[in-house]
Parts: sequence; structure tokens; C-alpha cells
Amino acid sequence: DTGVSQNPRHKITKRGQNVTFRCDPISEHNRLYWYRQTLGQGPEFLTYFQNEAQLEKSRLLSDRFSAERPKGSFSTLEIQRTEQGDSAMYLCASSPAGVATYEQYFGPGTRLTVT
Amino acid sequence: AQRVTQPEKLLSVFKGAPVELKCNYSYSGSPELFWYVQYSRQRLQLLLRHISRESIKGFTADLNKGETSFHLKKPFAQEEDSAMYYCALQVWGAQKLVFGQGTRLTINP
Repeated sequence: DTGVSQNPRHKITKRGQNVTFRCDPISEHNRLYWYRQTLGQGPEFLTYFQNEAQLEKSRLLSDRFSAERPKGSFSTLEIQRTEQGDSAMYLCASSPAGVATYEQYFGPGTRLTVT
Repeated sequence: AQRVTQPEKLLSVFKGAPVELKCNYSYSGSPELFWYVQYSRQRLQLLLRHISRESIKGFTADLNKGETSFHLKKPFAQEEDSAMYYCALQVWGAQKLVFGQGTRLTINP
């Protein structure tokens, strides 16, 4: 499968614990995005990387959230001191870089449940 | 702030009937607009974008700047069209997509 992959697919954690998710984009894509989707809502933008640089960050992203893309390939999203409100589907997407606007290709998501 | 509104959370039509999924947006500039679709047990994927002016799987969408709308239409619905549909907006100079809440379309046989 040459699409965007995300691991783990499901994560159950207790409130207060830290969690880390991984996203592997399509190999030739320079841009990588993280979104969060709660039940009954559309995806909400969290952050965006071009290569290893984090260029956009939503105000939704509290200090407990951090994302990295150290070598411009895979990315990780870490949530520290999880809260029940963090329970959601976390989606990763990637696209080629360029002047034009390109389609974003989504991964299957990581479903986080905070108990 | 940019916003996308899909007024119908659920829409049910019979096979062969026309279908229209509504999308309204608020943005003062010239937006790029998209429809994404999620079929059961599949990932979110692009259906069509306004700039391409194409028909995908029989669906079309016209950008109406006066009404700030980008409704998705298909003249004859098919059972395989049953899915979750999201309208999304991308503002000039930014990369993020702003999504609507989504409309779950069910095509009844």
C-alpha cells in the first residue's frame, strides 16, 4: 500500500498519560497535515509541515500537543497529560508541494479513547 | 474567520432520484472549494474541486460566489453513492482545509 499510513490505528489510554501517534506520508509528498475529528464533526486542522518545517499551527493546539517531522519524512503527534476531551480520530494527510493547490491524501486515522 | 456550513446532517433519497448536498461558506476572498467523500470503512478522499470544473462519478458542483455556495449535485442517485460527504474550503496562501460538519447521504433501493 503506497498511501498514507498511521500507527497505531486505535489507542486507549488513561487520563493523564502521554500518547504518541505516527504518520508516514506518501513518499514523494513534501507537505504533511494533522487534523482532529470528533464525533459528528468534520475534520479540524491542527498543524502543517512543509518538509521538516512546521509552518502553520491551529489555536486549537494547546501546549499539551506537539508535532514533529524531524527528517521531513514521517511525523509524530504527541499529546501530554491526556484529557477526556482529547478523545477523537486523529487524521494525517499529505500532498505534493508547489504553487498549485493539490489534493490532500488522507490516512486511515488513529482513534484515541481517553478513559 | 472562514467557515463552511452543511445544513443537512442526514439526507436520504431513492435510487434514481436527483440529489443535492448543500454547502455554504463564509470567506471574503476567493476560495478554493472541494468535496471530499468517505465511503464505509474507507479513508477520506477527494471527490471533486471547483477549479477543475469536472464531473466525477456523475457529481458536479458549481461555485456561486454571490450566494457563497458550492452545492453538490447528481441527477440520478445510485446505491453506491451512500457515504459521508464533506465540503471543504482552502483560503489563498494557506494550506489548511476548513471542513463542514458533513452530510450522511443514504440512497434507498
